[in-house]
Amino acid sequence: SQELEQSPQSLIVQEGKNLTINCTSSKTLYGLYWYKQKYGEGLIFLMMLQKGGEEKSHEKITAKLDEKKQQSSLHITASQPSHAGIYLCGADMNTDKLIFGTGTRLQVFP
Amino acid sequence: DARVTQTPRHKVTEMGQEVTMRCQPILGHNTVFWYRQTMMQGLELLAYFRNRAPLDDSGMPKDRFSAEMPDATLATLKIQPSEPRDSAVYFCASGPGQGREKLFFGSGTQLSVL
Repeated sequence: SQELEQSPQSLIVQEGKNLTINCTSSKTLYGLYWYKQKYGEGLIFLMMLQKGGEEKSHEKITAKLDEKKQQSSLHITASQPSHAGIYLCGADMNTDKLIFGTGTRLQVFP
Repeated sequence: DARVTQTPRHKVTEMGQEVTMRCQPILGHNTVFWYRQTMMQGLELLAYFRNRAPLDDSGMPKDRFSAEMPDATLATLKIQPSEPRDSAVYFCASGPGQGREKLFFGSGTQLSVL
């Protein structure tokens, strides 16, 4: 969806490196969701951010929401091959439905 | 663990044929979404239901696609007639509330229309 842009589109990093994925909305965000998709599988929920400035962490993954900028970032510390997959942000724009971004393909090599 | 079940996992068909994809949402979930994923367009919302009532199907090509929930345990997405441009992975997702919360996705149906 053009309402939600992710960058970069793809990322190849060496194991152990940190990385950041960004998600920018063209409309006001009422909630921002991060999902991960392994190749050939469905999406798995990672975390949900609802308030400006909110930050959540799960293991080595941290997500932040900048409400004013209508933007969220997902940061992975010390990446591992298990982090490989497609990361998608989904946005609630007060329409009762979840719209997804274009996705970021992450590859982590040893 | 409760999960969303989609069938079939893979479908290869010829142009012009009817295709029916099925989804069993998690028991108790009252919101069901259909998404389509392609390399070019990413994940697109096709339609969604709440309490079995269709709320929005504006993302679907109306002339060939139809989505229904005949009962609370089954959602269907039909394409008739199918076209090569319909080739994609179709995902069903269900949620327990208003649709603004954590969704649970099925494994998808990989459709190839020759």
